[in-house]
Amino acid sequence: TQLLEQSPQFLSIQEGENLTVYCNSSSVFSSLQWYRQEPGEGPVLLVTVVTGGEVKKLKRLTFQFGDARKDSSLHITAAQPGDTGLYLCADRNTGGFKTIFGAGTRLFVKA
Amino acid sequence: DSGVTQTPKHLITATGQRVTLRCSPRSGDLSVYWYQQSLDQGLQFLIQYYNGEERAKGNILERFSAQQFPDLHSELNLSSLELGDSALYFCASSRGEGSYNEQFFGPGTRLTVL
Repeated sequence: TQLLEQSPQFLSIQEGENLTVYCNSSSVFSSLQWYRQEPGEGPVLLVTVVTGGEVKKLKRLTFQFGDARKDSSLHITAAQPGDTGLYLCADRNTGGFKTIFGAGTRLFVKA
Repeated sequence: DSGVTQTPKHLITATGQRVTLRCSPRSGDLSVYWYQQSLDQGLQFLIQYYNGEERAKGNILERFSAQQFPDLHSELNLSSLELGDSALYFCASSRGEGSYNEQFFGPGTRLTVL
């Protein structure tokens, strides 16, 4: 069974700081996804990456996929209070239609 | 607003009871997924339906069952409830059934079993 480990589990920072969160898989990702979940809501897809070494940018968020397709990082530049939430990495398993999620990194950005 | 609706928003019930959670997918979406999110287990995939047919099963207990109706809405039935079933239950929908189809999550149903 594939396991996704995310670190850190919790991060509290001041507005304007930079941060990086990590996701490591026990096996090669089929299709890596990052989601953000705000309190009281369902997860919202941020990005999907499939190619090893791929880098994608979404405004102040930069997503990197490891060359071996077993790890990923999410870097946020100049964090804002609106970035507060639970960041989840996931593998959208192409074989069985299942999606496996990591436990998440809970980010709190203080104004 | 993802376009996926779930009812009820909150549900409080007792051990041993049975409840039904309802999900309406986004207009035009044929796939519906159910997930359970708890503090100790995180977000876990339960089951997927596509156009009324079951497509994939995850960590769904035998006490739980689901179905997708001809109008594409879905229901998740939880029976013989235990304290440990207390969790957030999310429904998601996507246009098709393949992994390249983005899933859109509803706001969830918070189930509390006392």
